[in-house]
Amino acid sequence: GDSVTQMEGPVTLSEEAFLTINCTYTATGYPSLFWYVQYPGEGLQLLLKATKADDKGSNKGFEATYRKETTSFHLEKGSVQVSDSAVYFCALTGGYNKLIFGAGTRLAVHP
Amino acid sequence: EAGVAQSPRYKIIEKRQSVAFWCNPISGHATLYWYQQILGQGPKLLIQFQNNGVVDDSQLPKDRFSAERLKGVDSTLKIQPAKLEDSAVYLCASSSNPQGGLDEQFFGPGTRLTVL
Repeated sequence: GDSVTQMEGPVTLSEEAFLTINCTYTATGYPSLFWYVQYPGEGLQLLLKATKADDKGSNKGFEATYRKETTSFHLEKGSVQVSDSAVYFCALTGGYNKLIFGAGTRLAVHP
Repeated sequence: EAGVAQSPRYKIIEKRQSVAFWCNPISGHATLYWYQQILGQGPKLLIQFQNNGVVDDSQLPKDRFSAERLKGVDSTLKIQPAKLEDSAVYLCASSSNPQGGLDEQFFGPGTRLTVL
């Protein structure tokens, strides 16, 4: 069945460092891909999405490109801030708009 | 616009007891989802409603879990009897697309269940 694999955390970075969180997927058909973020004490929020191959989703300085040839959707940010500390989830849509999530990657950014 | 509301936020019960969670989706949202998030894992869909009908309940353990969405608005998820492995955060989400197509899901804060 469809699945998502993301790099294990925690990822610990200093402020202004470059961030990459790897995400690969297995799916039949052509799913849409998402990154969700969960800040401490808050609910899941959509960060960005891409609906077809070569699309680039971007938001709040984060970006990810839908790579069909490598079945990947890696999350990147050029300069992280302490406020970016959160758990990041990669996800794809299965049938009927249901979301299939990866296990999540915890990011901790230190000043 | 109010977000997805869930209650209670926390619940502690002993195994074999029953428990119920409540969700109020964003007003006008036709589709409602219940996800289970076990510690260290991503959320997993338990059941999806389109208005008051079930679209997908393939991963709902039907011997102990049940859910309903009367009148196509609020929803209740029940576990009876609870097992230790049911300890998790139960997330409710809603989306507006009445046809069930691709549409952003908005998540509530979740209910953290601990089964002792």
